[in-house]
Amino acid sequence: TQLLEQSPQFLSIQEGENLTVYCNSSSVFSSLQWYRQEPGEGPVLLVTVVTGGEVKKLKRLTFQFGDARKDSSLHITAAQPGDTGLYLCSNNDMRFGAGTRLTVKP
Amino acid sequence: DTGVSQDPRHKITKRGQNVTFRCDPISEHNRLYWYRQTLGQGPEFLTYFQNEAQLEKSRLLSDRFSAERPKGSFSTLEIQRTEQGDSAMYLCASRVSGNTEAFFGQGTRLTVV
Repeated sequence: TQLLEQSPQFLSIQEGENLTVYCNSSSVFSSLQWYRQEPGEGPVLLVTVVTGGEVKKLKRLTFQFGDARKDSSLHITAAQPGDTGLYLCSNNDMRFGAGTRLTVKP
Repeated sequence: DTGVSQDPRHKITKRGQNVTFRCDPISEHNRLYWYRQTLGQGPEFLTYFQNEAQLEKSRLLSDRFSAERPKGSFSTLEIQRTEQGDSAMYLCASRVSGNTEAFFGQGTRLTVV
């Protein structure tokens, strides 16, 4: 079973700051998904990355897939309080990491 | 179709009682997944179905847990003889096999007292 490690576990920043969170595995991903989960709700898919080196942008969010397809990062520019939530990565088998809990303070 | 729905949203039960949760996936989705999530953790895989067949079950899942998807549409997750450690959010997700996009329900929050 592929293990997904996410870091940092917790991140608390001020509105307007930039941040990056990471998802790593010892084995190759066939595809990798990033989700955001808000308290009391189910996760919502943000993006899927498939190709090594791929970069996808979603407004202020930039997702990068490592060349070897073993890692991925999510960068948020000028974070806003609405970005607060649990950021999860998953593999194609629908297994999830423990997540990064982000808090953006106004 | 309004997405994946789960019922109930909240359940409080006494230790030792049995509980059953229901998940209605998006109608054309043939894969259905169940997860357990505790505070501060990611969703922990429990089991998944392709149509009515249960294709995988976590080895961490005790014999007190059972899931069904009798007609390949809705699914139920039953926990027998609940324990306090079963308190968690139980999430359901569905997708089309071969498609990476999965949709989650809002979950059922179980509290065992």
